[in-house]
Amino acid sequence: GENVEQHPSTLSVQEGDSAVIKCTYSDSASNYFPWYKQELGKGPQLIIDIRSNVGEKKDQRIAVTLNKTAKHFSLHITETQPEDSAVYFCAARGNYGQNFVFGPGTRLSVLP
Amino acid sequence: KAGVTQTPRYLIKTRGQQVTLSCSPISGHRSVSWYQQTPGQGLQFLFEYFSETQRNKGNFPGRFSGRQFSNSRSEMNVSTLELGDSALYLCASSIETRRTGELFFGEGSRLTVL
Repeated sequence: GENVEQHPSTLSVQEGDSAVIKCTYSDSASNYFPWYKQELGKGPQLIIDIRSNVGEKKDQRIAVTLNKTAKHFSLHITETQPEDSAVYFCAARGNYGQNFVFGPGTRLSVLP
Repeated sequence: KAGVTQTPRYLIKTRGQQVTLSCSPISGHRSVSWYQQTPGQGLQFLFEYFSETQRNKGNFPGRFSGRQFSNSRSEMNVSTLELGDSALYLCASSIETRRTGELFFGEGSRLTVL
């Protein structure tokens, strides 16, 4: 089955700097890759996603890149702000009807 | 539009007891998935229900079970609780079409087993 690895497990950056979180997946059939943000005491919330037919997607300060050949995808957050501090999860899923497999998470701390 | 609602939010049980958790999905969502979240294991998939049928099941013992009702509401049950079952149990719903697959999570039910 699918296996998703995520690095780093913790990341501290200064406010205004960029943050990058990387994930790798094992199943070449996976074609949907979402990123979730989980704030303290809340459930995960989708922040951006990418499908296997595109290589990059941006939404304001957040971007995701996908390398299907290498089977890895990354989350990029620019101009980080204290409210970006949270745990971020990547995930992978294959075709319709298959379950999501999540990475172990990255705790991002943005220092003022 | 109301989000995913999970009840109860917090509960404490003792070893050997059983527990039932409830999840009300977003209106119109027919898929409900359950995840166990622990500090060491991250988000572990328990099972998914779609139109009252279990479509997928994770690698958990038979003590963990679930069901979905005709209104898409779902319950999960854990019998003979063990200390290791202490976790945040998250429910997620999805409209689940072939083009979209976004999961919408509830805030979870935090179970503590003493």
